Amino acid sequence: KQEVTQIPAALSVPEGENLVLNCSFTDSAIYNLQWFRQDPGKGLTSLLLIQSSQREQTSGRLNASLDKSSGRSTLYIAASQPGDSATYLCAALDAGTASKLTFGTGTRLQVTL
Amino acid sequence: DVKVTQSSRYLVKRTGEKVFLECVQDMDHENMFWYRQDPGLGLRLIYFSYDVKMKEKGDIPEGYSVSREKKERFSLILESASTNQTSMYLCASSLRTGEAFFGQGTRLTVV
Repeated sequence: KQEVTQIPAALSVPEGENLVLNCSFTDSAIYNLQWFRQDPGKGLTSLLLIQSSQREQTSGRLNASLDKSSGRSTLYIAASQPGDSATYLCAALDAGTASKLTFGTGTRLQVTL
Repeated sequence: DVKVTQSSRYLVKRTGEKVFLECVQDMDHENMFWYRQDPGLGLRLIYFSYDVKMKEKGDIPEGYSVSREKKERFSLILESASTNQTSMYLCASSLRTGEAFFGQGTRLTVV
């Protein structure tokens, strides 16, 4: 059974800092690893998708990496801003016909002025 | 743009009622998922479907059933609603190996 873990559970940084969020998964047989953002009371917004054959993906100030062999993914946020404050979740899509999408419990990020 | 639409943003139901939560996607996705999200527990998978009429139990299927008669629609059914099913319900869809997209969520309160 796939298990996805995110560390830390919460993080507070001053504006302008670069930061790294961590995601680990137990079963490397995945199609992809996806990072999401969730604002309070809202649904999930997709940030980055890394296919199993890829090592990293970039979008603006965000960079996500994937190391399947070690079961790890990281989300790097450069030059953080108060608008980045949200909960960040990673999710692994299992390989196979019946593909289960398993989520980590998230990292709650606060960027302070 | 991919669109996943959940039928209601907020719902209030009485204990014992049969409740239907509807989810529709417009991108011909094979996979569809239902989650519930509770503070401190994260997103927990209730059921998922990888094709029409195909369904698989997730981690917490008890008290729920699902229906997928058409590819674009995935319904979550609470057979007899209970107060412990008060939660935020989130639907998602994806291609078989692709990016998942979520609906806006349904906040269900059972009184």
